[in-house]
Amino acid sequence: DVKVTQSSRYLVKRTGEKVFLECVQDMDHENMFWYRQDPGLGLRLIYFSYDVKMKEKGDIPEGYSVSREKKERFSLILESASTNQTSMYLCASSGDRGFRETQYFGPGTRLLVL
Amino acid sequence: AQSVTQPDIHITVSEGASLELRCNYSYGATPYLFWYVQSPGQGLQLLLKYFSGDTLVQGIKGFEAEFKRSQSSFNLRKPSVHWSDAAEYFCAVVIDSNYQLIWGAGTKLIIKP
Repeated sequence: DVKVTQSSRYLVKRTGEKVFLECVQDMDHENMFWYRQDPGLGLRLIYFSYDVKMKEKGDIPEGYSVSREKKERFSLILESASTNQTSMYLCASSGDRGFRETQYFGPGTRLLVL
Repeated sequence: AQSVTQPDIHITVSEGASLELRCNYSYGATPYLFWYVQSPGQGLQLLLKYFSGDTLVQGIKGFEAEFKRSQSSFNLRKPSVHWSDAAEYFCAVVIDSNYQLIWGAGTKLIIKP
C-alpha cells in the first residue's frame, strides 16, 4: 500500500512564526503536491514538485515556499504565518504521469494560526 | 477558464437508498476524470477514474460513474448506500492542454438511519 505521512495532524502557531509542514511518501513517486482545503473551495494547489529540487507554483503560492531535497520528502514552509493561512493542508504523491495519475494523499495537517 | 462544478454542497440520503452525485466540467475535449472520497478524519482516496473506453466505470466500495460527453458530466452513483458512505466526495478533472488537475468544491453526503 502507498503510504503518505504528514508530520503533524494538528498544529497551532502564532502570527509571524515560520511554519514547516513535512510530507513523506514511501512509493518512490516522482511527483508530490501540496494543497490547502477550505470549506466550499475544494482543494487548491499551492506547489508541486516533479523531481528532486524541482518545483512549480500552483494556483495559490503566495506566502508559501517548498523544499524537496530528497525524492521521498516534500516540505511546505510558511515563511511568516498569517491568520488567513489557517486551513487544512494536504500532501499527495503520484507516479510519473503527474496529474493524470492517481494521487495518494496523506491524512492532512489542520493548522490554526492565532 | 476551465471549471468543475458539483452543484450539491450537501446531500442527505436514507441508508439503503440509491445515490447520485453530480459533476459537470467545462472543457471541449475529453478530459481525465476522477472521483475521490474523504471520510471523516482520513485522507482522500481514489474511488474511480475515467481516461477512455467504456463510459461506465466501476470503482471501489460499490460505486460507479458514467461519463456523458454530450452533457460534460461524470456523475457518481451507488445503488444502495451504507452508513459508512457518509463522507465528502470530490470530482476532479485533468485538462490535457496543461495537465493541471481541477477540483470541484465537494459534496458532503449525509446518511439518515
